[in-house]
Amino acid sequence: DVVLTQTPPTLSATIGQSVSISCRSSQSLLDSDGDTYLNWLLQRPGQSPQLLIYSVSNLESGVPNRFSGSGSETDFTLKISGVEAEDLGVYYCMQATHAPLTFGSGTKLEIK
Amino acid sequence: EVQLVESGGGLVQPGRSLKLSCAASGFTFSDYAMAWVRQAPKKGLEWVATIIYDGSSTYYRDSVKGRFTISRDNAKSTLYLQMDSLRSEDTATYYCARSAGYGSWGQGVMVTVSS
Repeated sequence: DVVLTQTPPTLSATIGQSVSISCRSSQSLLDSDGDTYLNWLLQRPGQSPQLLIYSVSNLESGVPNRFSGSGSETDFTLKISGVEAEDLGVYYCMQATHAPLTFGSGTKLEIK
Repeated sequence: EVQLVESGGGLVQPGRSLKLSCAASGFTFSDYAMAWVRQAPKKGLEWVATIIYDGSSTYYRDSVKGRFTISRDNAKSTLYLQMDSLRSEDTATYYCARSAGYGSWGQGVMVTVSS
């Protein structure tokens, strides 16, 4: 199975600060169809996961543009440019290139 | 608006069975593959099973193969997860999700396996 390693496990930020989360894959996530199926999800406290970014860098509809994704092959980054209070929760990367689908272990964002 | 509403969870003894349902609305259910993803208490997300749009192919994580069965009724826009021979390690919140990018998730249903 593909292992996704997220760092850091915990992140503490002030409102307005920019932060980044890393997701490294144990194998390339570039699919034979040319797409890279690496997504980012946010799970707010007590809620179900919400898709933020799909295919590395595409912003899901309705998601604020302070969220952005980048990367390729095995190294990916989620950036929040100007953290807001509503951004607290656990961020997960997930890959759907290789079966079975796998998730990173999560990064908990706390607001100072 | 896409809506996914799970039901059927609860407390069950080890070795017993439980069937989860996920009622879908707001999209053409029969066009999409669907999945179950679970989350043990205080833990991360774990894919459980996927079924393609017409139900002709299914996929499972190794730890549930032979015990869980994913199915769907496209006429009722409903996804199911039949869980047999339940174990304590199956205790989790179970989410149904639309497999297209995993952009739509239900609110989750709790399953507790304990004597």
